[in-house]
This record gives sequence, structure tokens and C-alpha cells, in this order.
Amino acid sequence: DIQMTQSPSSLSASVGDRVTITCRTSQSASIYLNWYQQKPGKAPNLLIYAASNLQSGVPSRFSGSGSGTDFTLTISSLQPEDFATYYCQQSYSAPLTFGGGTKVESK
Amino acid sequence: EVQLVESGGGLVQPGGSLRLSCAASGFTFGNYWMTWLRQAPGKGLEGVASIKKDGSEKYYVDSVKGRVTISRDNAKNSVYLQMNNLRAEDTAVYYCAKWRGSQSEFDHWGQGTLVTVSS
Repeated sequence: DIQMTQSPSSLSASVGDRVTITCRTSQSASIYLNWYQQKPGKAPNLLIYAASNLQSGVPSRFSGSGSGTDFTLTISSLQPEDFATYYCQQSYSAPLTFGGGTKVESK
Repeated sequence: EVQLVESGGGLVQPGGSLRLSCAASGFTFGNYWMTWLRQAPGKGLEGVASIKKDGSEKYYVDSVKGRVTISRDNAKNSVYLQMNNLRAEDTAVYYCAKWRGSQSEFDHWGQGTLVTVSS
């Protein structure tokens, strides 16, 4: 199984900050890495697929990069509605696995 | 608009059974794999079971093999999760999600249904 390591597990930031979250896989996932946002009591929402593709309807302040084993989710200018937990997920090989999550909190 | 609506969750005793349902609309259901995922309270996400467009292939996470069966009815635009011999560690919110299959993402999720296994 491909193990996923997300960092940090939590961070504190202010509106307008640039936020970067990292996801590392235990073996190459090629470009098959997806990012989701989850707010309390809600289902996850797809933000980025295949490492760098913005899902339809997702604001352009979200971007993704990386390939192989190292991936990054960046929020260029944090907005109030972005305080949430973010998960990475590899879809390269079964079983599909998720990172442990990064909780973005208000400083 | 894609909609996925789960139902069937509830409180069940250890060793009991539940059948979850997910009703889909807003897309051609028979063209997509479907997956059930779960999230234990305060924990992360885990894929539980997936089923191919025509139901001919099914995959399960090791922890539920032999206890859980995924099925679908393309005529009813629905996917199901039959869960038997439930354990406390199966307690979670269960989500169904639309999936294009291998090497793709879960692009739409339902709102989830809570399963609580407790005596």
C-alpha cells in the first residue's frame, strides 16, 4: 500500500496569508494525487486532481504541484471560507489512500 | 447537478447488520464506478468498497472483506453497502462518491450517513 504523509498536521494563518501544505507518498504516485477540502460536518470537496488540475468551480487561489513522491497544495491568499481541513489522496494504485489531513486554523 | 444522497445509517449492536443506500442523480449513473468511503469520528478518510460501472468488479479494503458487500442497481441509479457482523471500529460517517475509476479522483460526494456500532 502507498503510505501518505501530510505536513503540517495543523497550521495557524491569517486572512491574506500564503499557505502551503505538503504531501509525501511512500512510493511514486506519478501525477495521481488529489486534494480535498473538508469543513466540519460536511463531505469532502475536490479541489485539485492529477496533482495540478483545478476542479471546476474551485477558486484560482488554490493550486497544486508535484509529481512522483512530493506534492504541494498552495492557497495564494487565504480567505475566511478557507479555514478547513485539507486531505491529499493518491489514486495511482489500490488501495486508494489518504493523508492524515491538515487543519488550517485562524491565527 | 450531481446529487448523491445516502440513507440507512443508524445505531446497531456489535454483530448486527445494516444496509446503506445511495441514490444518485444528475449524471449517467451507469457510466461511473461508485465508491463507499468512511470517516470515523475525529479521524481521516478511508475507502471501504468500490464497484465497476456494470457491477462486474468489486474491491474492498482488507478490514471489511468477508463482512461487507457492495452492489448497484443501474436501473434505480443506486449503490448499496450491505454490512454484516459490525464492529465498534466500523463506527463512522459513510459517504458514497462518484469515481471515474483507476487513477482518477472522487469528484462528487454525498452528505454522508452515520453508522454507530455500540451496545
